[in-house]
Amino acid sequence: DTGVSQNPRHKITKRGQNVTFRCDPISEHNRLYWYRQTLGQGPEFLTYFQNEAQLEKSRLLSDRFSAERPKGSFSTLEIQRTEQGDSAMYLCASGMGETQYFGPGTRLLVL
Amino acid sequence: KNEVEQSPQNLTAQEGEFITINCSYSVGISALHWLQQHPGGGIVSLFMLSSGKKKHGRLIATINIQEKHSSLHITASHPRDSAVYICAVDGGSNYKLTFGKGTLLTVNP
Repeated sequence: DTGVSQNPRHKITKRGQNVTFRCDPISEHNRLYWYRQTLGQGPEFLTYFQNEAQLEKSRLLSDRFSAERPKGSFSTLEIQRTEQGDSAMYLCASGMGETQYFGPGTRLLVL
Repeated sequence: KNEVEQSPQNLTAQEGEFITINCSYSVGISALHWLQQHPGGGIVSLFMLSSGKKKHGRLIATINIQEKHSSLHITASHPRDSAVYICAVDGGSNYKLTFGKGTLLTVNP
């Protein structure tokens, strides 16, 4: 399967814990996006990488959130000191032209 | 007011009916996307439009740039079309997308 993959698919954590999600984009895609989707809403943009450079971050991305894309390949999104409001689906997408290809998402539940 | 508004939020149809989902946006765009999301989260791109009309099988998407409006039509709807349909716009900055809330379509046999 050469699509976008995300791990883990599901994560349950206690408030205050740190979590890290991984996204493996389609290999030739230089653009990578993270989005967050809460129940009943459309996805919201979090951050964008072109190769290894993080070029844009949303105001939604508080200081507790950090994302990396070392060597321009896979990306990680870390949330420190999780809060219940962080419960959401975290989606990764990659692209080279105008189309984005989405991964299956990581569903986070913070208890 | 959201930058991308979809209507209706929920739509129930009988198999075979013609479906229309509408999307209005308030910002300048370089392209508009229609996406399909099934339960469990996976999002699939259906169309990308910057003008006119596109057709793929039973799906048709149109866009009116002057009126900042797009429609997604499904002809001869089928229960397997049941999903959330999301409109998203590319504002021209890094191709990042701004999404509507989605339309939950249920097609009953």
